[in-house]
Amino acid sequence: ILNVEQSPQSLHVQEGDSTNFTCSFPSSNFYALHWYRWETAKSPEALFVMTLNGDEKKKGRISATLNTKEGYSYLYIKGSQPEDSATYLCAPSGGNEKLTFGTGTRLTIIP
Amino acid sequence: EAGVVQSPRYKIIEKKQPVAFWCNPISGHNTLYWYLQNLGQGPELLIRYENEEAVDDSQLPKDRFSAERLKGVDSTLKIQPAELGDSAVYLCASSAGTSGRTDTQYFGPGTRLTVL
Repeated sequence: ILNVEQSPQSLHVQEGDSTNFTCSFPSSNFYALHWYRWETAKSPEALFVMTLNGDEKKKGRISATLNTKEGYSYLYIKGSQPEDSATYLCAPSGGNEKLTFGTGTRLTIIP
Repeated sequence: EAGVVQSPRYKIIEKKQPVAFWCNPISGHNTLYWYLQNLGQGPELLIRYENEEAVDDSQLPKDRFSAERLKGVDSTLKIQPAELGDSAVYLCASSAGTSGRTDTQYFGPGTRLTVL
């Protein structure tokens, strides 16, 4: 079982500000890193799948980077909007055919 | 394109009662996953199907949990009998490919189970 840590656990950000949070995972036997956004009462939504060291992916105002050698990924949100309020989950995969989810970062955007 | 459908969305039962959850994956998706999410935790895989074959059920508590995916399309997860500790959100997901490592998984909204 992979040890996945996400920080911070929760975050309050003023509307319009930018923010970022971290996902840490074991660097050995790494295969891929998934990011999901989960809004209350909705389905978790896939944001990114990253596999290569140095990968950087972008979707609108959200972007993510990956460092497989040191075992971390950053998720950035530029110009936060109220609709960005959600829990952001990361899930690396390793030697077996499964994702190991972190406990998430709960983001609240203050209007 | 319709997403992953789950029902019911909410279920309240008394302990020792049976309960079943249903999932219909995205059309054409061969791989189906059931996850359990306890409060404050990330989702944990219970079982993964490739078509109708359960290829990973190592985390499924087989004394009380069972699952089936007849005809390789929709799936049912059952708990009998339910215990207080089974109160959680049960998520279903599907993917087009067969790699549990790299394929994007598409999730349903989950079933929130409360056992009294």
